Amino acid sequence: SFELTQPPSVSVSPGQTATITCSGDELEKKYTAWYQQKPGQSPVVVMYQDEKRPSGVPERFSGSSSENTATLTISGTQPMDEADYYCQAWDSSTDVVFGGGTKLTVL
Amino acid sequence: QVQLRESGPGLMKPSETLSLTCTVSDDSITHDGYFWAWIRQPPGKGLEWIGSVHHIGSSYYNPSLKSRVIISIDTSKKQFSLKLNSATAADTAVYFCARRYRVTGNTGFGGYYFDSWGLGTLVTVS
Repeated sequence: SFELTQPPSVSVSPGQTATITCSGDELEKKYTAWYQQKPGQSPVVVMYQDEKRPSGVPERFSGSSSENTATLTISGTQPMDEADYYCQAWDSSTDVVFGGGTKLTVL
Repeated sequence: QVQLRESGPGLMKPSETLSLTCTVSDDSITHDGYFWAWIRQPPGKGLEWIGSVHHIGSSYYNPSLKSRVIISIDTSKKQFSLKLNSATAADTAVYFCARRYRVTGNTGFGGYYFDSWGLGTLVTVS
């Protein structure tokens, strides 16, 4: 079955660049979305179709995908970006799949 | 902007059937481009897709839950529902309902993503 793998945690200093990866078989062909979830809140999409940013999402968020890895990049990370981030893709055999999530710490 | 709201019991006993309803605030429930989904999150853990339903009636389920799940839709009430039978403590989670959007563009199909979520409701099986 199709699975997505994320690092459990990523740490970054304020103002620096945070990189969160998501790995899965032939992920480049499956169009990855990314969600931000803060404690006690519902997830919010911050990226879709690998690299498209929904309206209202700051420009410091960007996405890319190549071969088996999708990447969410946050440039000039701010303390408000501290949250859990989940990748999600669609596979014809398993339908919707979420990654295990990455806790981003800004310190 | 569409709003989704989950409703249902917050506490249930093992072996009972978990039943939740999601109410959609607008007519997008009958839009062909959307599927309506249930997603859950056990305390302190990640997101798990349960299944999705379309207004024409087609439905798709997580293979790991398929034998216990039914998701149905009632467009006249602007609602869709989740039933999960034979509940155990492992089903304790926050249950979210969400709208899944099919991305299409100049290059054709561009994947799916969840563009709107409910606030979630905690269901405890104990």
